[in-house]
Amino acid sequence: GIQVEQSPPDLILQEGANSTLRCNFSDSVNNLQWFHQNPWGQLINLFYIPSGTKQNGRLSATTVATERYSLLYISSSQTTDSGVYFCARQGGSEKLVFGKGTKLTVNP
Amino acid sequence: EPEVTQTPSHQVTQMGQEVILRCVPISNHLYFYWYRQILGQKVEFLVSFYNNEISEKSEIFDDQFSVERPDGSNFTLKIRSTKLEDSAMYFCASSAGARTEAFFGQGTRLTVV
Repeated sequence: GIQVEQSPPDLILQEGANSTLRCNFSDSVNNLQWFHQNPWGQLINLFYIPSGTKQNGRLSATTVATERYSLLYISSSQTTDSGVYFCARQGGSEKLVFGKGTKLTVNP
Repeated sequence: EPEVTQTPSHQVTQMGQEVILRCVPISNHLYFYWYRQILGQKVEFLVSFYNNEISEKSEIFDDQFSVERPDGSNFTLKIRSTKLEDSAMYFCASSAGARTEAFFGQGTRLTVV
């Protein structure tokens, strides 16, 4: 079946550090999204990025669909960035297939 | 900014009882979804709904589950006879098109005791 793999599974940073989260997928992609799940469990949309590069403040994302991966960059991390980051891909059907997530902890 | 809203935010129910989880998708969206997340695990697709019918469902979405769009704004998930393993966070989502950005509600945390 469709595989979405995220790495690393866990990441601990000091405030102010930069990080890169990776998402590999096994098949072609029509839609790729990055989400942040906050401590209350809410899924917050970060990027809709089937291809190319987007930036939003301290966050940016790049998807290289031909090589089947996407990267999420977090610069100058803050404690409020803590949580779980999910990527999810949509292929030939409507459903999103989620990875297992990267749990980020930013320490003050 | 338009958002997907879900009610209730938390629900505790006894095993064997029926529950209905409610969602109001973004008003001009045409595709509606339910996902669930068992504690500590990844988000899993349950069902997609378009044009007043189920367009896709997962193996999880068995006969105890049903969805309905009873009016022009609400989208519901019914679990007929809850089991302990149904305890999870249930997310509703909507999108304007079949392969456009999906937006998620804040979730309903269901606990079956």
